[in-house]
Amino acid sequence: RKEVEQDPGPFNVPEGATVAFNCTYSNSASQSFFWYRQDCRKEPKLLMSVYSSGNEDGRFTAQLNRASQYISLLIRDSKLSDSATYLCVVTFLTGGFKTIFGAGTRLFVKA
Amino acid sequence: EAGVAQSPRYKIIEKRQSVAFWCNPISGHATLYWYQQILGQGPKLLIQFQNNGVVDDSQLPKDRFSAERLKGVDSTLKIQPAKLEDSAVYLCASSLDYQLAEFYEQYFGPGTRLTVT
Repeated sequence: RKEVEQDPGPFNVPEGATVAFNCTYSNSASQSFFWYRQDCRKEPKLLMSVYSSGNEDGRFTAQLNRASQYISLLIRDSKLSDSATYLCVVTFLTGGFKTIFGAGTRLFVKA
Repeated sequence: EAGVAQSPRYKIIEKRQSVAFWCNPISGHATLYWYQQILGQGPKLLIQFQNNGVVDDSQLPKDRFSAERLKGVDSTLKIQPAKLEDSAVYLCASSLDYQLAEFYEQYFGPGTRLTVT
């Protein structure tokens, strides 16, 4: 089992749709969680940190469920510019320090 | 604020040749990371530095890859000799201090796209 697994893509949605991505992690001692966005042939950029209480930034909502070991990203009112790959990132702080990126979920938003 | 700088942006070499990549992190960032990203996959951490010390190099193929950050600022990653499977984008990232969770956000450079023929 991979340490971080994401929904297989791609997701193809129309403009204005709501789309949700899930990410599961295997290490219960995971410390920090993030969603990064990566445009085609560009570097990843931080989209949101994910806090235990959940957090929202405009149309984006991130949630953490430690009991079930998953995080989610919800995008409301999708825009064409949301088309990108969304990377789930988990850090483990036991047994040595590790940062694990998921393989990413590709989103296409169409007019 | 200047971002993470990397060079070169592109490199094409033949297998068994050597190549080196350079990274200059954001000023004041103590933690520096090198990642390998193969097409269609997420970035894989190769090595992580805290100032000039190595924090994690468990996934670095040490028989051919080496990295250093001698003065705790910029860093170089070297591959010698290169293999076909090393074709990937090599990303450098930095963060303020990996030990402080709220400062853990990593900022990436534009990457070096390596093609091994």
